[in-house]
Amino acid sequence: DARVTQTPRHKVTEMGQEVTMRCQPILGHNTVFWYRQTMMQGLELLAYFRNRAPLDDSGMPKDRFSAEMPDATLATLKIQPSEPRDSAVYFCASGLVGAGASQPQHFGDGTRLSIL
Amino acid sequence: GQSLEQPSEVTAVEGAIVQINCTYQTSGFYGLSWYQQHDGGAPTFLSYNALDGLEETGRFSSFLSRSDSYGYLLLQELQMKDSASYFCAVRTARGSGNTGKLIFGQGTTLQVKP
Repeated sequence: DARVTQTPRHKVTEMGQEVTMRCQPILGHNTVFWYRQTMMQGLELLAYFRNRAPLDDSGMPKDRFSAEMPDATLATLKIQPSEPRDSAVYFCASGLVGAGASQPQHFGDGTRLSIL
Repeated sequence: GQSLEQPSEVTAVEGAIVQINCTYQTSGFYGLSWYQQHDGGAPTFLSYNALDGLEETGRFSSFLSRSDSYGYLLLQELQMKDSASYFCAVRTARGSGNTGKLIFGQGTTLQVKP
């Protein structure tokens, strides 16, 4: 089965450090999503891309977070500088969205991030 | 604004039927999805309703009433492995088009007891 692949699976680092999370979407999917999950806030959409173009990053703190898709097989989410409140599970998901298409989003296994 | 309401916890016994309700308020609605998540793992897709009515997929069914901004997930013949969190999620619209974007509820933790 095709899967969304996220790396790393776990990351522990000290506050102030740069964190980069990577995602390989499912081949053929044209939309990539980044979510953050915490106990308090639940699953929040941070940003998403269609055909590699950013469509909406309103859920993302702009001062420290950035998301890019350098090519169709790679999406990245960076935090610089990281803070303890960024500790969460970050999920990447991909899907096929278009005229008449109602494909579900497929999620990766997530990156569990702890900022000390 | 956009908001979704679902119960935080539900408990049921093996073999029983359970219904998880979801009400929503959104500025643009395209459809209602349901996802399952075990122990913080990857959320997995269960069901989707774009139109009013019932969708059945094996032991799981989902219902939507657009006029009432309401939907539910029905799980039948509960098994221990169904213990998980269940999320309703609105697929948003811009105009008549599907953005593909999902807004998730806070999730319902289902505990299935023997």
